Amino acid sequence: EVQLLESGGGLVQPGGSLRLSCAASGFTFSTYAITWVRQAPGKGLEWVSAISGNGDNTYYADSVKGRFTISRDNSKNTVYLQMSSLGADDSAVYYCARTRVAAGRGYYDYWGQGTLVTVSS
Amino acid sequence: DIQMTQSPSSLSASVGDRVTITCRASQGISNYLAWYQQKPGKVPKLLIYAASTLQSGVPSRFSGSGSGTDFTLTISSLQPEDVATYYCQKYNSVPLTFGPGTKVDIK
Repeated sequence: EVQLLESGGGLVQPGGSLRLSCAASGFTFSTYAITWVRQAPGKGLEWVSAISGNGDNTYYADSVKGRFTISRDNSKNTVYLQMSSLGADDSAVYYCARTRVAAGRGYYDYWGQGTLVTVSS
Repeated sequence: DIQMTQSPSSLSASVGDRVTITCRASQGISNYLAWYQQKPGKVPKLLIYAASTLQSGVPSRFSGSGSGTDFTLTISSLQPEDVATYYCQKYNSVPLTFGPGTKVDIK
């Protein structure tokens, strides 16, 4: 059974940093891209970042470019999202999703349950 | 960047009704279009990819069509469990933009 489990969310002050993790199981992890999608409270879905299966290719939304870094450790079946210079607009539930086709050209067939990030003083 | 719009933003229909949601891209995206369903308080679920291919396990009352800039998601006979927000997403190239969503409820 495919499973994705996010962790690392929480309350952080404006300007602070946080690292999210997405632990995967039930599939050959290194052959799939993984994407982070976020959803602010009561709002729609926003694509954030994606990484290819081997980690060579990464992609970012303009809203997070230069502040967020996506990476993966295929020996641990885990993808990370390092977030810095956080602002109120970054407050959201962050989902990781298994990505079909390719990191920069894919859709999402399995999603994790999400982890909540709240940026507030 | 290519913008995605959806119409209507919300709709209310009766059980058994045929429901159609439209998604429009500001530029052509071939058939690189997916549809997701998000029930209240739940995780998004993939319904359709490649504009018209039904994801495994999705009821056949859901269907998708379109190519280029104009796409539709149709629910042939609305069921109570279909109450949800539906999002389209283009995936031909980054940024992989979602539409703003269409909220569907039962009249």
